[in-house]
Amino acid sequence: AQSVTQPDIHITVSEGASLELRCNYSYGATPYLFWYVQSPGQGLQLLLKYFSGDTLVQGIKGFEAEFKRSQSSFNLRKPSVHWSDAAEYFCAEAIGSNYKLTFGKGTLLTVNP
Amino acid sequence: DTGVSQNPRHKITKRGQNVTFRCDPISEHNRLYWYRQTLGQGPEFLTYFQNEAQLEKSRLLSDRFSAERPKGSFSTLEIQRTEQGDSAMYLCASSDRGNSPLHFGNGTRLTVT
Repeated sequence: AQSVTQPDIHITVSEGASLELRCNYSYGATPYLFWYVQSPGQGLQLLLKYFSGDTLVQGIKGFEAEFKRSQSSFNLRKPSVHWSDAAEYFCAEAIGSNYKLTFGKGTLLTVNP
Repeated sequence: DTGVSQNPRHKITKRGQNVTFRCDPISEHNRLYWYRQTLGQGPEFLTYFQNEAQLEKSRLLSDRFSAERPKGSFSTLEIQRTEQGDSAMYLCASSDRGNSPLHFGNGTRLTVT
């Protein structure tokens, strides 16, 4: 069955430090991959997406992600974290024309001042 | 683009009661999705509409759950004879074509007492 794994349940970083959130997908063919961010009590906001082409994709709020087929990974990165980045981050994969998303369990990011 | 709107934001109900949630997608979007998110988990797919046609339902959607999208505009999700296990955030999302990312609403949080 299709699955998305986010190995880190909770990550704490200091403001200004770099960030990498890990994501592994399971589908063998070319997946559609996404990162979403969710603030408490809110819906999900799309940070970035990968369909094909350049394996390094840029998103909003200074985030980027790199698709590595050999590792089945799509890790999210940011060079310098801001306090406002504290939220929960979800990696997701879509297969097929109905665009049904399978989400990972999320990584909660805490930013220390 | 006024975004995806969900009502109510919060619903508290007693076990055994019926509840109905409404989702208004972005106006030109013909695809509409319902997801359920429980504490500590990523969203899980429930069902998907293209225009007024319900094209896929998850096995998570028991026969107590029914979703409609009359006229291909807003959608309703009804849960009959609610159970405590139905307590969750119910998220609605919409998109305008196959490769277009999903836009999520802020969700309806259901608490069954």
